[in-house]
Amino acid sequence: DADVTQTPRNRITKTGKRIMLECSQTKGHDRMYWYRQDPGLGLQLIYYSFDVKDINKGEISDGYSVSRQAQAKFSLSLESAIPNQTALYFCATSDSLAGGRTDTQYFGPGTRLTVL
Amino acid sequence: DQQVKQNSPSLSVQEGRISILNCDYTNSMFDYFLWYKKYPAEGPTFLISISSIKDKNEDGRFTVFLNKSAKHLSLHIVPSQPGDSAVYFCAASESNDYKLSFGAGTTVTVRA
Repeated sequence: DADVTQTPRNRITKTGKRIMLECSQTKGHDRMYWYRQDPGLGLQLIYYSFDVKDINKGEISDGYSVSRQAQAKFSLSLESAIPNQTALYFCATSDSLAGGRTDTQYFGPGTRLTVL
Repeated sequence: DQQVKQNSPSLSVQEGRISILNCDYTNSMFDYFLWYKKYPAEGPTFLISISSIKDKNEDGRFTVFLNKSAKHLSLHIVPSQPGDSAVYFCAASESNDYKLSFGAGTTVTVRA
């Protein structure tokens, strides 16, 4: 089974709708991240969480919110979706307790979101 | 402004030859660098990393070189295999920050 799972894998929605993307991990990592990927721009950080009580904005947090329901679960919400939020969304995890440099992140398979 | 740049969007190489992927960065505080590989419909997977205290790190067919003075790193794949056809992302981070800044990616195609 995959260590980092994302649901749904694909979603088509309409402008103005509320959308939630979910991420679960079985790696036991404490840190979780949400990214979006747009063509030609690489991955941009939306939000990150270093533990259940810690939520931080990334580079492009406007229009998004997150919830860390448990160490293993981190969800991303679009309160009112707009077409320029059409993108590929990735969840990632990392382990701050692994020892040494712990920058390495492990990614889920992604959610392709289309906002019409 | 992008702090990590991969200026070649694509690279085509013959099977068995060397693939060289380049990455430049602007933030002098970056001290840890990673390469990720991504296949279609999958998430990026970690490939290899290097700390700024080194100038080379090797793992099997993959070698990463770091030139701190030029703020440049490269990934060498020798020999290239068809399964290496993928998008490769360069990423960088600062000490105690744990946030990764990514380049836009280079699509590698290995021709038989």
